[in-house]
Amino acid sequence: AQSVTQLDSQVPVFEEAPVELRCNYSSSVSVYLFWYVQYPNQGLQLLLKYLSGSTLVKGINGFEAEFNKSQTSFHLRKPSVHISDTAEYFCAVSVTAAGKLIFGQGTTLQVKP
Amino acid sequence: DAGVTQSPTHLIKTRGQQVTLRCSPKSGHDTVSWYQQALGQGPQFIFQYYEEEERQRGNFPDRFSGHQFPNYSSELNVNALLLGDSALYLCASSLAGQNYGYTFGSGTRLTVV
Repeated sequence: AQSVTQLDSQVPVFEEAPVELRCNYSSSVSVYLFWYVQYPNQGLQLLLKYLSGSTLVKGINGFEAEFNKSQTSFHLRKPSVHISDTAEYFCAVSVTAAGKLIFGQGTTLQVKP
Repeated sequence: DAGVTQSPTHLIKTRGQQVTLRCSPKSGHDTVSWYQQALGQGPQFIFQYYEEEERQRGNFPDRFSGHQFPNYSSELNVNALLLGDSALYLCASSLAGQNYGYTFGSGTRLTVV
């Protein structure tokens, strides 16, 4: 079975500062990795995904994530955040590219002016 | 290009009642998955439909059932509602065999009183 742990429930950060949202996963088989963002009262939007190849993945809105197989991590980073990045962020894994997603508990990113 | 459409957006039901939620997938997608997101939690996979059949199922009781129609739209039915069924129900669509990730709808907020 697979599981996902998002190490921080809330991350407060000032505008234009860098941010890292941490995600660790557990799986006995290879997995695909995803980050989704959820704005208030909305569904989930895909930020980026790792399927194979380069371990540094670039996504939308200036976000990127690095897959570290030895540490079973997939941390999300952004060099300079904006107020509009305030949202809930979810890390997810899947055994197949189109199979069921297993989500972490989410991290609330609070960007302060 | 219409994304995933879910209806209704909000719903209030009484314990013991039955509810049907609806989902129209993104144009060109043929696979529909349903997720339950309790308040403050990550989404949990309920089931996935492809070619009008349930292809995968998560750890949900038989009170949760679904259907996919020939036009790929889908319904989620929940019988004998419990207070604990109160959640945001998300529909996600994808194209079988492709690694583009899911497109999520904005969800249906179900409140059981």
